[in-house]
Amino acid sequence: QAVVTQEPSLTVSPGGTVTLTCGSSTGAVTSGLFPYWLQQKPGQAPRTLIFDTSIKHSWTPGRFSGSLLGGRAALTLSGAQPEDEADYYCLLYYSGTWVFGAGTKVTVL
Amino acid sequence: QLRLQESGPGLVKPSETLSLTCIVSGGSISTTASYWAWTRQAPGKGLEWIGTFRYNDKTYYEASLNSRVAISVDTSQNRFSLNLYSLTAADTATYYCSGGAGGGLVWGQGAQVTVSS
Repeated sequence: QAVVTQEPSLTVSPGGTVTLTCGSSTGAVTSGLFPYWLQQKPGQAPRTLIFDTSIKHSWTPGRFSGSLLGGRAALTLSGAQPEDEADYYCLLYYSGTWVFGAGTKVTVL
Repeated sequence: QLRLQESGPGLVKPSETLSLTCIVSGGSISTTASYWAWTRQAPGKGLEWIGTFRYNDKTYYEASLNSRVAISVDTSQNRFSLNLYSLTAADTATYYCSGGAGGGLVWGQGAQVTVSS
């Protein structure tokens, strides 16, 4: 079974920019793995920010963007706000099965 | 707008079966190429995929749970369900349903389940 890897934690200054990445043990992450990015705040359900690498849901703030970067999926937060402090999960799709990364805890400080 | 809501017991005994239902509103569970999934999260841990029903395709399960899990769909009620058998304390978690079509993915609020005698 594939393993999806993420940075355990990242810190960003208010107004700053941070990039989270997501790798796959099977090789490069491509659009064919349909990368998702989820945000989860304490005590809340996950919320999908990005799907299919870079497509935003209607509720996704404009400061979030998704891409492929150096063989990994990437989530970039530009102009971080205090309310962006959360856990972020990458989800990859492997021919019918889903695999979540362990999550990245983002601190805005 | 698509909405999902889980329902089920909050407390289940070891060795028994967990049955959860996800009610879908604002969209049809029978939409071509739609997908409906269950995921869980143990206290203080990350997300763990359980399984996905893909409409007009098949149902996929996490390999480690495959022998203990079943996802069923009731198109007449626009809902889908999870049965998890032979429960142990390790199955204590918040269980989320999610779904969508065309790539998007909407989540329910979650159902907290404790396995204890």
